[in-house]
Amino acid sequence: TQLLEQSPQFLSIQEGENLTVYCNSSSVFSSLQWYRQEPGEGPVLLVTVVTGGEVKKLKRLTFQFGDARKDSSLHITAAQTGDTGLYLCAGALDSNYQLIWGAGTKLIIKP
Amino acid sequence: EPEVTQTPSHQVTQMGQEVILRCVPISNHLYFYWYRQILGQKVEFLVSFYNNEISEKSEIFDDQFSVERPDGSNFTLKIRSTKLEDSAMYFCASSVTGTAGLRTGELFFGEGSRLTVL
Repeated sequence: TQLLEQSPQFLSIQEGENLTVYCNSSSVFSSLQWYRQEPGEGPVLLVTVVTGGEVKKLKRLTFQFGDARKDSSLHITAAQTGDTGLYLCAGALDSNYQLIWGAGTKLIIKP
Repeated sequence: EPEVTQTPSHQVTQMGQEVILRCVPISNHLYFYWYRQILGQKVEFLVSFYNNEISEKSEIFDDQFSVERPDGSNFTLKIRSTKLEDSAMYFCASSVTGTAGLRTGELFFGEGSRLTVL
């Protein structure tokens, strides 16, 4: 069974703090994506990482793909209230057309 | 900016009734998907569709479910006889390159159709 485990499931912090959320699996992925979903809307892609060890930055968000391509992290620096949402990771395998989705990390940034 | 549109935004139906959820994917996309998300839970893959046929489906996508692309623009999900546990948000998505391996491209999601089965 291919699973993507996200942690923490829920995180509530003050504006200005830093945070990291994790996405872990025993499976090796060809690529991994991070999406953000706001209430009542569909997920929106933030980034795709494809190379082991790859680091991508999107303003205050830093995404890392593990060297073995089994895990990934999302680090947010100086969180803002606009970062509030559900963060989902999704991994692509060579053998399947479907993405393997994590259960998400619900992030609340308090003013 | 092109977007995936879904109708209806919310449908309430009685158990056992048929429901059709409609989606208009982005026009130059080739791969189409239906996902569902039960309130507060994870996104679950239902089915992917390419070249006018189902390319992959999950265990959830049983004989009660079907998909069609009737006219080259709409992509529909039909649930023949709804059950209480079908209550969820159903998302349509489309992509240019599919989601297998290194070809994985961005999935563009619609805003979802909330289905409530009473």
